[in-house]
Amino acid sequence: DGGITQSPKYLFRKEGQNVTLSCEQNLNHDAMYWYRQDPGQGLRLIYYSQIVNDFQKGDIAEGYSVSREKKESFPLTVTSAQKNPTAFYLCASNQAGGEKLFFGSGTQLSVL
Amino acid sequence: DAKTTQPPSMDCAEGRAANLPCNHSTISGNEYVYWYRQIHSQGPQYIIHGLKNNETNEMASLIITEDRKSSTLILPHATLRDTAVYYCIVRVTGRRALTFGSGTRLQVQP
Repeated sequence: DGGITQSPKYLFRKEGQNVTLSCEQNLNHDAMYWYRQDPGQGLRLIYYSQIVNDFQKGDIAEGYSVSREKKESFPLTVTSAQKNPTAFYLCASNQAGGEKLFFGSGTQLSVL
Repeated sequence: DAKTTQPPSMDCAEGRAANLPCNHSTISGNEYVYWYRQIHSQGPQYIIHGLKNNETNEMASLIITEDRKSSTLILPHATLRDTAVYYCIVRVTGRRALTFGSGTRLQVQP
């Protein structure tokens, strides 16, 4: 089945630790996105990438980093600089300029 | 992108039509209206989008007013599985990324 796979579903971070969230898509989409969602809130854009080896900051990029070495993969690292990382993280993709955005099932990150 | 205003919550009886309103009074001529929904703890799902004409697909209908300052998403026969948060988004096609507000929490009652 074509789709977007996020892993793990649940992740725990210790103080001062970097953690990486995985996002893989087999839809052959050019563009990929990372969103953060806090309880009862909408989605906020962290980073996005329109093509391989290129990415741009979204509205809340501080404390996060990404890479786009392959078209199908867009991992997100939550660094120790992100002081409030507990949230639901969603990865999405679409064809560049396409109207329909496809989402993964999300990763819930919590701080120990 | 134009800002949207949606009621925070709505109830609907199962089997009845659910009509979800959205105001976008500052919409520009080249901005589309998109609707997504998010079932609890899942990623959002695309429903429908339109520019100025009414649109219908297998999931819903989108009614956009003639002045384009507001729109209504219609779920013709709501089921319990339609309980979700519904997001109305206005965006120029091809620009950066979608911005999701707080949406409308629709509760379908048995």
